[in-house]
Amino acid sequence: DGGITQSPKYLFRKEGQNVTLSCEQNLNHDAMYWYRQDPGQGLRLIYYSQIVNDFQKGDIAEGYSVSREKKESFPLTVTSAQKNPTAFYLCASRSGDSMNTEAFFGQGTRLTVV
Amino acid sequence: GEDVEQSLFLSVREGDSSVINCTYTDSSSTYLYWYKQEPGAGLQLLTYIFSNMDMKQDQRLTVLLNKKDKHLSLRIADTQTGDSAIYFCAENREYSTLTFGKGTMLLVSP
Repeated sequence: DGGITQSPKYLFRKEGQNVTLSCEQNLNHDAMYWYRQDPGQGLRLIYYSQIVNDFQKGDIAEGYSVSREKKESFPLTVTSAQKNPTAFYLCASRSGDSMNTEAFFGQGTRLTVV
Repeated sequence: GEDVEQSLFLSVREGDSSVINCTYTDSSSTYLYWYKQEPGAGLQLLTYIFSNMDMKQDQRLTVLLNKKDKHLSLRIADTQTGDSAIYFCAENREYSTLTFGKGTMLLVSP
């Protein structure tokens, strides 16, 4: 089955630690995205990548880093510089061929700083 | 960036129609989307509308677009308890990124 998979579903991090969230897709999509969701805030774009080995900052990139070494994978690292990392993180992918392509979302990773 | 605005909460009775409203900002948006999120899950595309259309109907869902006022609505006919979820509208922005509203929580009571 084709789809987009995020892991882990729940993640706990101590203050001062970096942590990496995994996102893998087997849909052959060019574009991948990371969003952060907070209660009452909707989804805010952290980083996106339209092609392998290239990525751009979104609206709230500070304290995060990404890589796109393979088409299938777009891991997100939450660094210790991120002041308030506790949130629900969603990864998405889209075919880059046209403006009207559905974005497929993973099931999310809930990160909690303890 | 500029915000996509939605009302935060809507409560209806089972069998009634639900109408969720959204205003967007980018007049050059070519496609507008409605997504559904169930608790603890990712987002699922419900429907979309192209900006040169006024209306789109898909079974129980009707999308209305007023491009002049940048207003988008989603009507769910015969709302069921399984429709209880958060609904997001989204518009295409530059570089194919999607900008989402804050979401409308729909609560359907029996």
